[in-house]
Amino acid sequence: GAVVSQHPSWVICKSGTSVKIECRSLDFQATTMFWYRQFPKQSLMLMATSNEGSKATYEQGVEKDKFLINHASLTLSTLTVTSAHPEDSSFYICSARDGNNSPLHFGNGTRLTVT
Amino acid sequence: GENVEQHPSTLSVQEGDSAVIKCTYSDSASNYFPWYKQELGKGPQLIIDIRSNVGEKKDQRIAVTLNKTAKHFSLHITETQPEDSAVYFCAASKGVGTYKYIFGTGTRLKVLA
Repeated sequence: GAVVSQHPSWVICKSGTSVKIECRSLDFQATTMFWYRQFPKQSLMLMATSNEGSKATYEQGVEKDKFLINHASLTLSTLTVTSAHPEDSSFYICSARDGNNSPLHFGNGTRLTVT
Repeated sequence: GENVEQHPSTLSVQEGDSAVIKCTYSDSASNYFPWYKQELGKGPQLIIDIRSNVGEKKDQRIAVTLNKTAKHFSLHITETQPEDSAVYFCAASKGVGTYKYIFGTGTRLKVLA
């Protein structure tokens, strides 16, 4: 149980374009999902908390207009990297929990490369 | 805010030996401590967790210990196998389901065959 699916697993895009990453909870409903960013050989940094039916909560230093989050249903959250630049290249990982008293489960991540 | 330190950053052990990874946290309000294993190119997978009302938890070859007074917790892997090779992250949280997790910096474990 508690499977989190992320798509795509990798994407290459040109500078200036936008990229959308999907995060789905496959066998449970998630009112809250979390988006993390991970640089090579570094830890996970929380970017934002995605709330179903309301605005996302962004961590300090994360540009909300650059990283658009939409949590339109109880099983789907999307992260759109707008006007991507090479410095946005990173590993993006989403997570969710099956119930308020359950631990976080992570998707398999999306490697974004901006050329 | 909470800060989690993790040591060592890299660890090499011979197959069959034990591995120990240690974490310390700063916020005494933290009460939930999960451990994640991340293989190359994949997302982290929960391997074991412990809540502050217990001092130790075991699951086959994996155990976690917690010292609330000293604010540190450790992951112990016994009889290591090559497939244990991965990056391990500890985390601290004020609640398993409500609060965000603060992650340690990770330990790259290599089990030598």
